[in-house]
Amino acid sequence: QVQLVESGGGVVQPGRSLRLSCAASGFSFSRYGMHWVRQTPGKGLEWVAIISYDGSEKYFADSVTGRFTISRDNSKNTLYLQMNSLRAEDTALYYCVKDVALRFLESPGSWGQGTLVTVSS
Amino acid sequence: SSELTQDPAVSVALGQTVRITCQGDSLRSHYASWYQQKPGQAPVVVIYGKNNRPSGIPDRFSGSSSGNTASLTITGAQAEDEADYYCNSRDSSGNHLYWLFGGGTKLTVL
Repeated sequence: QVQLVESGGGVVQPGRSLRLSCAASGFSFSRYGMHWVRQTPGKGLEWVAIISYDGSEKYFADSVTGRFTISRDNSKNTLYLQMNSLRAEDTALYYCVKDVALRFLESPGSWGQGTLVTVSS
Repeated sequence: SSELTQDPAVSVALGQTVRITCQGDSLRSHYASWYQQKPGQAPVVVIYGKNNRPSGIPDRFSGSSSGNTASLTITGAQAEDEADYYCNSRDSSGNHLYWLFGGGTKLTVL
């Protein structure tokens, strides 16, 4: 079955950087688009970014454009989120999510358990 | 960018039918996906596309859409259906794609 394991979260000071990773297994990683979605503790979901199955398309939420980048290594079945210039409002649980569609960008499907990022001085 | 609007809370008697709605302009062009989230757990997709249920999701969950409103219907709600439900849809601005989540609906099964 689909397994997504996020890592790389932690406590970081405002203005610093952090890189999240997501190790994927149980499906053909190279055939699916992948999302990052975040959730502030006790609050709702916010879509962050998406990368197409081959990495040729990348889209970001307005709130992170210019600060976050998304990438993938299909040879390692791993998704990344590079977060720069972090702000307090980036504090959240970050989920790695597999798209529902094969080789198409449709919608988030299977979710990992998340990794917590706390931005605080 | 546009928004998706959900009622904050809905309740249903055990065994009855409940409809959770999601409104937004993007829904005129794109299907909604629906996610169930229980406390302390990651969200789980229950409906995506026109009305697709992933394997393992009971057939009491169904989706529909009309105009700018998408609906998740639970026919014969069970105690284990008590959870937060979020809708999601794709939208675009020029060549830029993005995805939206609704604010979530807390479903209470009485």
